[in-house]
Amino acid sequence: GNSVTQMEGPVTLSEEAFLTINCTYTATGYPSLFWYVQYPGEGLQLLLKATKADDKGSNKGFEATYRKETTSFHLEKGSVQVSDSAVYFCALRRKGAQKLVFGQGTRLTINP
Amino acid sequence: DGGITQSPKYLFRKEGQNVTLSCEQNLNHDAMYWYRQDPGQGLRLIYYSQIVNDFQKGDIAEGYSVSREKKESFPLTVTSAQKNPTAFYLCASSVLAGQETQYFGPGTRLLVL
Repeated sequence: GNSVTQMEGPVTLSEEAFLTINCTYTATGYPSLFWYVQYPGEGLQLLLKATKADDKGSNKGFEATYRKETTSFHLEKGSVQVSDSAVYFCALRRKGAQKLVFGQGTRLTINP
Repeated sequence: DGGITQSPKYLFRKEGQNVTLSCEQNLNHDAMYWYRQDPGQGLRLIYYSQIVNDFQKGDIAEGYSVSREKKESFPLTVTSAQKNPTAFYLCASSVLAGQETQYFGPGTRLLVL
């Protein structure tokens, strides 16, 4: 079946550190891949997406590249800020399917 | 501003009671979805609707019911048959089902008294 596996959290970093949150997936065909962010007490916001192999999604300094050969979509940011503290979800959607399949989420805390 | 609104922000349910969570969107999206989020877990799909007067069960539909009488509205009822209703409920919508990015509302937290 289709599934998404994220690196275990929580992750704690200092401000201006480099961030990587790993995400790997299992799916038939070539799904679309997404990163969503959830700030405390709020719903999910789309952070970035990629719809085909080798696509790079980017937004607010975050990047992720769709790697078909390693079935991965790791999230990276060169210099994190305190305001980046949130829970990050990796998700996939098979072409034509209705639902998103989510990873379990990774809680990120950035200390000043 | 266009967006998705959910109400209430917090909802308390007594034993044996049905409660209804509201979801409204003014994005003119055809498709709407309900997800459930439990602590430390990803989201799971409860129900979705591709078009008015049509809806389909997701992965965990038991104990829930929905209606889609208007394009803008997709209320979710948590019935007394749902034995573990405490969770964060998120509504989402997309332009077309299965083809576009899903956008989420702010969520409703349901607690059992």
